[in-house]
Amino acid sequence: AQSVTQPDIHITVSEGASLELRCNYSYGATPYLFWYVQSPGQGLQLLLKYFSGDTLVQGIKGFEAEFKRSQSSFNLRKPSVHWSDAAEYFCAVGARGNTGKLIFGQGTTLQVKP
Amino acid sequence: NAGVTQTPKFQVLKTGQSMTLQCAQDMNHEYMSWYRQDPGMGLRLIHYSVGAGITDQGEVPNGYNVSRSTTEDFPLRLLSAAPSQTSVYFCASNPTAGGSYNEQFFGPGTRLTVL
Repeated sequence: AQSVTQPDIHITVSEGASLELRCNYSYGATPYLFWYVQSPGQGLQLLLKYFSGDTLVQGIKGFEAEFKRSQSSFNLRKPSVHWSDAAEYFCAVGARGNTGKLIFGQGTTLQVKP
Repeated sequence: NAGVTQTPKFQVLKTGQSMTLQCAQDMNHEYMSWYRQDPGMGLRLIHYSVGAGITDQGEVPNGYNVSRSTTEDFPLRLLSAAPSQTSVYFCASNPTAGGSYNEQFFGPGTRLTVL
């Protein structure tokens, strides 16, 4: 069955430090992968997505993610975190079939220390 | 474009009451979905629709009904509210072409409390 795992429920980093949020997926073919961000009290906003091609994808707000097929991972990174990056981050995989469905991970809450 | 809109933003119900959460999109998207978000569980799919007149169940459909009479609207009905349905509900839509590999656009959410 398709699934997405985000091993870290909560991460705290200092402002200006680098960030990596982990995402592992289970999927039988080339996956469609997404990272979304949810600020407190808000809906979800797409940060970036991977369909095919270059395994390093760039997104908005200075984020990037790398697809590693051998590790079934799609980790999100940012070189220098800003206080405004504090939010909840969700990794998702597009479900098989042309249904438009997404399967989400449990989410990682990012806290940024001043 | 307003994107995906949801009403109401907040709602408190008593156990056993029924209500409808409204969702509308003005992007002419064929695919629409309803999710519920609970702490530590991410977003779980309740129902989805691949076009007007076509709906299907997601991961957690029990206690909810949907219909899709138009491309724009996808209401979610709670038949007899239970405390376990206390959650934040998100509606989302994505374009026809490519379905599962297109970005989903999310509404702002409805926070529902069932007493």
